[in-house]
Amino acid sequence: DQQVKQNSPSLSVQEGRISILNCDYTNSMFDYFLWYKKYPAEGPTFLISISSIKDKNEDGRFTVFLNKSAKHLSLHIVPSQPGDSAVYFCAATTDQTGANNLFFGTGTRLTVIP
Amino acid sequence: DSGVTQTPKHLITATGQRVTLRCSPRSGDLSVYWYQQSLDQGLQFLIQYYNGEERAKGNILERFSAQQFPDLHSELNLSSLELGDSALYFCASSVDVSGLYEQYFGPGTRLTVT
Repeated sequence: DQQVKQNSPSLSVQEGRISILNCDYTNSMFDYFLWYKKYPAEGPTFLISISSIKDKNEDGRFTVFLNKSAKHLSLHIVPSQPGDSAVYFCAATTDQTGANNLFFGTGTRLTVIP
Repeated sequence: DSGVTQTPKHLITATGQRVTLRCSPRSGDLSVYWYQQSLDQGLQFLIQYYNGEERAKGNILERFSAQQFPDLHSELNLSSLELGDSALYFCASSVDVSGLYEQYFGPGTRLTVT
């Protein structure tokens, strides 16, 4: 059972425009959410995170929004650059178990067109 | 470079065989996680070790086992290999301090079972 879902396998955006990647989750115990970026032949790289006590976290061009009531989060990239082209994974975890293992979505492939 | 190293980078073996994947975590990280990424799938959590002790188990088959050594490196052992075990296997590490849940991933080992 996929507890973290990314329903859009791919997204294409023009350079300079906004990229919005979406993620939904089903487990209400999740209290920390992360976005990872993955280039081919490399491991996922941590990008940005948000705690469930916040609804927004910003880091440069990247902003993550969390809507707990809808169990939905999104990653906004503004402005999008060709170097942002990668697969983006949403992940979630809970401190309840003390294990902190991450539950990943299946990823969204972002292509930024120059 | 995440600071997490994995060897080997590629592994090709036959069904029924046994292989060992190796991971060295970032300096100072006590937790090591193993994930499996099959074709078109998100990363599936297999197992976590913290300072030499098993902390959490995910979707890990009984044919698979892992351990973490006193120097904190970890090995994932896969035995009686089947075609369906072909996947990317990622190791990640974290500092495992409350409130910091980011995990840092190695480049992965691509296992092909023929």
